[in-house]
Amino acid sequence: GAVVSQHPSWVICKSGTSVKIECRSLDFQATTMFWYRQFPKQSLMLMATSNEGSKATYEQGVEKDKFLINHASLTLSTLTVTSAHPEDSSFYICSANGRISTDTQYFGPGTRLTVL
Amino acid sequence: QQQVKQSPQSLIVQKGGISIINCAYENTAFDYFPWYQQFPGKGPALLIAIRPDVSEKKEGRFTISFNKSAKQFSLHIMDSQPGDSATYFCAAYGGATNKLIFGTGTLLAVQP
Repeated sequence: GAVVSQHPSWVICKSGTSVKIECRSLDFQATTMFWYRQFPKQSLMLMATSNEGSKATYEQGVEKDKFLINHASLTLSTLTVTSAHPEDSSFYICSANGRISTDTQYFGPGTRLTVL
Repeated sequence: QQQVKQSPQSLIVQKGGISIINCAYENTAFDYFPWYQQFPGKGPALLIAIRPDVSEKKEGRFTISFNKSAKQFSLHIMDSQPGDSATYFCAAYGGATNKLIFGTGTLLAVQP
């Protein structure tokens, strides 16, 4: 149980285009979903927290107009990187917690974004 | 106060040996301490977690030791295997925010 999926697993795009990443909780309803960014050999950096049906809460320094988050249902959240640039190239990982155990986060497999 | 300090940064252990990774925190409001294992190119996977009401938790070859007074906790991997080679992150949760605070990670290499 507690499986989180992400799609796509990797994506390559041209500078200036937008990319959407999906995060789904497959066997549980997620009250909250989180989006992280991870650079090589570094820890996870929280970008934003989203609750179903409400606006996401962004961490300090994260541009909300660049990283659009939509949490349309209890099993789906999307991250759209708008007007992507090479510096946005990174490993993006989502996580979700459930209604019963709100402190436990289950992570997706990650999405490798490369912007040319 | 929101930081979790993790050491060592990297660790090399012989097969069959014990791997020990340490973490320390400051915020006494933290009440949940998970460890995550991450393989290259994959998302972190929850390995084992502990709450402050117990001093030790064991699951198979993995043990968390928790010292509430010292505000420290550690992961012990007994009989380490090459398949355990990965990056390990400690984390802490609790207090006013709904966030996991991660340590900086430890790259473990288990040599055959």
